[in-house]
Amino acid sequence: GNSVTQMEGPVTLSEEAFLTINCTYTATGYPSLFWYVQYPGEGLQLLLKATKADDKGSNKGFEATYRKETTSFHLEKGSVQVSDSAVYFCALSDSGATNKLIFGTGTLLAVQP
Amino acid sequence: EAGVAQSPRYKIIEKRQSVAFWCNPISGHATLYWYQQILGQGPKLLIQFQNNGVVDDSQLPKDRFSAERLKGVDSTLKIQPAKLEDSAVYLCASSLDPRRMNTEAFFGQGTRLTVV
Repeated sequence: GNSVTQMEGPVTLSEEAFLTINCTYTATGYPSLFWYVQYPGEGLQLLLKATKADDKGSNKGFEATYRKETTSFHLEKGSVQVSDSAVYFCALSDSGATNKLIFGTGTLLAVQP
Repeated sequence: EAGVAQSPRYKIIEKRQSVAFWCNPISGHATLYWYQQILGQGPKLLIQFQNNGVVDDSQLPKDRFSAERLKGVDSTLKIQPAKLEDSAVYLCASSLDPRRMNTEAFFGQGTRLTVV
């Protein structure tokens, strides 16, 4: 079945460091791929998405490219801020009618000043 | 635009008791989802409604969990009787008709359930 695997955390970085959170997926068909973020005490928010191969999703300085050949959707940011501290979830939705989201286990990012 | 509303935010119950959670989706969203997020794991879909019909409940433990969506708007999720392993955050989400392209799911803040 469809699944998502993302790197375990926590990831601890200093402010202005470069961020990469790895995400790979297993899926039949052509899923859409997402990164969701969960700030402390808040609900899940969509950070960015890509719906087909080679698409690049971007938002708030974060970006991720849908790589079908490596079945990956790694999240990157060139310079993190303390306010980026949160849990990041990689997810896919199947290409069928349900649009069900399948999530990875989440990666905690802690950015220190 | 108002977001997805859930209540209560927190609930503590003893095992074998019953509990109910409520969700009000974004106005006009036909699809409603209930997810269970156990500590340290990603959210897992329990049930998905399209209007007031069930689309997917394959992961719902039907011996103790039930959900309904009357009139295709609000929804309630019930657990009866609760077990210790039901301790989790229960997330409600809604989206436009998923048969349309590029629909986004919007999540509520969740209900944190602790079973003692």
